[in-house]
Amino acid sequence: ETGVTQTPRHLVMGMTNKKSLKCEQHLGHNAMYWYKQSAKKPLELMFVYNFKEQTENNSVPSRFSPECPNSSHLFLHLHTLQPEDSALYLCASSQIDRNYGYTFGSGTRLTVV
Amino acid sequence: RKEVEQDPGPFNVPEGATVAFNCTYSNSASQSFFWYRQDCRKEPKLLMSVYSSGNEDGRFTAQLNRASQYISLLIRDSKLSDSATYLCVVNDPADSSYKLIFGSGTRLLVRP
Repeated sequence: ETGVTQTPRHLVMGMTNKKSLKCEQHLGHNAMYWYKQSAKKPLELMFVYNFKEQTENNSVPSRFSPECPNSSHLFLHLHTLQPEDSALYLCASSQIDRNYGYTFGSGTRLTVV
Repeated sequence: RKEVEQDPGPFNVPEGATVAFNCTYSNSASQSFFWYRQDCRKEPKLLMSVYSSGNEDGRFTAQLNRASQYISLLIRDSKLSDSATYLCVVNDPADSSYKLIFGSGTRLLVRP
């Protein structure tokens, strides 16, 4: 595996369900990010992890709970979501002492019913 | 004022045309600049970094004007496969965690 991989690619969940999104990066980067992209809207930063430490929580509702067990893995735990949370959730990684930009995973398209 | 502003388009051009996108950013201390490309329902992918002296990659030319806080992307000899949304991206200089700020994107449609 190379780059940034996200699973699952698609997820349909009910408002009472609990699910988790997974992201893994194989680039040796030291920072990872969760973004949300709703239809026809720009990317919204949700969480930032540098060296496994959360450095940003962009006023995200508590029904989204991130976890970063090591610098290669990032999870987004979901519970009691709302239909307006339906979106494309993108994981990205970067090397913060280099300015090469972010590498994104292919995303999880989430539908809350 | 938005931190990164782009004309949303769409720009609808024929194959072979030259098209230019512009972007302005609000923080004069930003130091890193990029253009990303995002295809429909896919993830953004890095197209090119933007350097102070301007840089070219094949049919794509990026320019930076620090005084005007303005970035441009020029695409020559447009191909059908260039149809996508182009995102202007700058770093947040106030953030030591290397946060990037994404514009809303400019949509390009290249027609036969």
